[in-house]
Amino acid sequence: SFELTQPPSVSVSPGQTGSITCSGDKLGDKYVCWFQQKPGQSPVLVIYQDSKRPSGIPERFSGSNSGNTATLTISGTQAVDEADYYCQAWDSRIGYVFGTGTRVTVL
Amino acid sequence: EAQLVESGGGLVQPGGSLRLSCAASGFTFSTYWMHWVRQAPGKGLAWVSRINSEGSSTSYADSVKGRFTISRDNAKNMLYLQMNSLRVEDTGVYYCARPAVPGTSNAMDVWGQGTTVTVSS
Repeated sequence: SFELTQPPSVSVSPGQTGSITCSGDKLGDKYVCWFQQKPGQSPVLVIYQDSKRPSGIPERFSGSNSGNTATLTISGTQAVDEADYYCQAWDSRIGYVFGTGTRVTVL
Repeated sequence: EAQLVESGGGLVQPGGSLRLSCAASGFTFSTYWMHWVRQAPGKGLAWVSRINSEGSSTSYADSVKGRFTISRDNAKNMLYLQMNSLRVEDTGVYYCARPAVPGTSNAMDVWGQGTTVTVSS
């Protein structure tokens, strides 16, 4: 079965740039989304189609996808960005697969 | 504003059944594919099922195939998940979610608040 692997945790200092990776076989051939989830809240879509930002998502969130790795980058990280982040990929063969999740700590 | 509100969760014994509902408002429900996604306590997100806009095509995660059935009533703007033969590992918060673009299935940009299912004896 298709799996997406993320680091369990990432720490970022306020104002700095942090990146979260998402690894999967030939992931660059698939579209990747990224979701942010804060404790007790529903997920929020922050990136879709590898690098597009939905309306209302700050410009400090960006995404890329190539080879076997997709990356979510948060530039100028703020305390409000502290959350769990999940990548998600889809294609007609694998269906809809979520990554293992990464807890981002801002300190 | 697009909104999804789930209901129907609760405590059920292993082997039991439960029907979840998701009420949609603020958008043309009949033009959107829809999903159910779940999250076990303290764990990550897991896709459960999806249905196309007409209700004629469905897909399921292997873990629920043959036990869960997704359906919709476009006249009532309602999405459903019938869950049978429930197992302890089905415990979690169940979200309904809507893709960003009508007629497509990916990029879920509207999520409900979730309804909690607990399977325990």
